[in-house]
Amino acid sequence: DTGVSQDPRHKITKRGQNVTFRCDPISEHNRLYWYRQTLGQGPEFLTYFQNEAQLEKSRLLSNRFSAERPKGSFSTLEIQRTEQGDSAMYLCASSLVGEGTEAFFGQGTRLTVV
Amino acid sequence: GQQVMQIPQYQHVQEGEDFTTYCNSSTTLSNIQWYKQRPGGHPVFLIQLVKSGEVKKQKRLTFQFGEAKKNSSLHITATQTTDVGTYFCAGVRSGSARQLTFGSGTQLTVLP
Repeated sequence: DTGVSQDPRHKITKRGQNVTFRCDPISEHNRLYWYRQTLGQGPEFLTYFQNEAQLEKSRLLSNRFSAERPKGSFSTLEIQRTEQGDSAMYLCASSLVGEGTEAFFGQGTRLTVV
Repeated sequence: GQQVMQIPQYQHVQEGEDFTTYCNSSTTLSNIQWYKQRPGGHPVFLIQLVKSGEVKKQKRLTFQFGEAKKNSSLHITATQTTDVGTYFCAGVRSGSARQLTFGSGTQLTVLP
């Protein structure tokens, strides 16, 4: 068990609906990352927080995606007006501050848009 | 943008054979990390390499970081069925923020 928990583990939604995922990082970790992974590919960076500040967002990230980490602890990722292409595994990871410290991944939320 | 390429995409080996996966970045990296993802699981950290030309060993696994800090390799000696999974390299670009850019992974199958 890595200590990073994500909820829900699975989500099936109809196209056009909004969905929200939650990530609870390891408690002492300042950094929190969201990645997306599709079958046969490596995790693709979406966004990254240090404490409550969102420091970087992927240029590939549609404006339908928004992430928050209001108190510097848990984070939410919302996808508005879901599309079939949003179907993927959404992974959250956390790490300590420091150059290249290892990231601990959660089990992920598998989203299926029908 | 930064790209990290990994080859081969798939590798099937007989148990006891060796296995190597290679990782190449389009940009110089400050460090590179390796992760293993079992089928149905999430990526799990294996190791981090920071120095040019660095070599690290973990039991049967040997990791190398190239002199130019743009490529890396993972070599497994005498594979076992427990080695099954997808191995990803992930690089942090020099001077960039802290995001990891993952390669597409090498899926290893070990036949008993």
